[in-house]
Amino acid sequence: GESVGLHLPTLSVQEGDNSIINCAYSNSASDYFIWYKQESGKGPQFIIDIRSNMDKRQGQRVTVLLNKTVKHLSLQIAATQPGDSAVYFCAENSGGSNYKLTFGKGTLLTVNP
Amino acid sequence: NAGVTQTPKFQVLKTGQSMTLQCAQDMNHNSMYWYRQDPGMGLRLIYYSASEGTTDKGEVPNGYNVSRLNKREFSLRLESAAPSQTSVYFCASTLGISNQPQHFGDGTRLSIL
Repeated sequence: GESVGLHLPTLSVQEGDNSIINCAYSNSASDYFIWYKQESGKGPQFIIDIRSNMDKRQGQRVTVLLNKTVKHLSLQIAATQPGDSAVYFCAENSGGSNYKLTFGKGTLLTVNP
Repeated sequence: NAGVTQTPKFQVLKTGQSMTLQCAQDMNHNSMYWYRQDPGMGLRLIYYSASEGTTDKGEVPNGYNVSRLNKREFSLRLESAAPSQTSVYFCASTLGISNQPQHFGDGTRLSIL
């Protein structure tokens, strides 16, 4: 979702539950998408990526879904753990050989023990 | 494997002072990027270097200059710092041949008084 003022969208889940973080991207020409995790005081860390010729990709405990029709991306985290608490960003590459990324504003995930 | 290294980690400047933020990567990447991160704004691209010897403006280049010193190093300079440049600055790099994730440093936290 969109942030309001200085506040990030937040998602609070119980340990062991599944989490779903959503992202609406802006450019229908984008051909590559990435999810990043950012912990407090650190730089963004790559989680998983997906190309526009796919609609689903799975990693270890994470799944990314891509719906190009409505320009929507989601990150699913299975069996969420306290260590998953962080801000999650989606990013898109609108194409071109410069490989520039456009980032969403992020979602704060809090995992309650 | 150090990845992307940024120096310094913290800095406080007075308005009008100049400063250079350093970034180095040891992954033999071609493309490097400078972002700033402000609360509620996500990551915004300041400048990038698609390959050694080239630099281009990003979304928010005003007040900054860059130098791609060699393949490994990409510096960001504030010639006359302003309070509006108080932010966290991140450097990132990617191979730059095909769509692949950008890898980030842990940032420089810059305060301008």
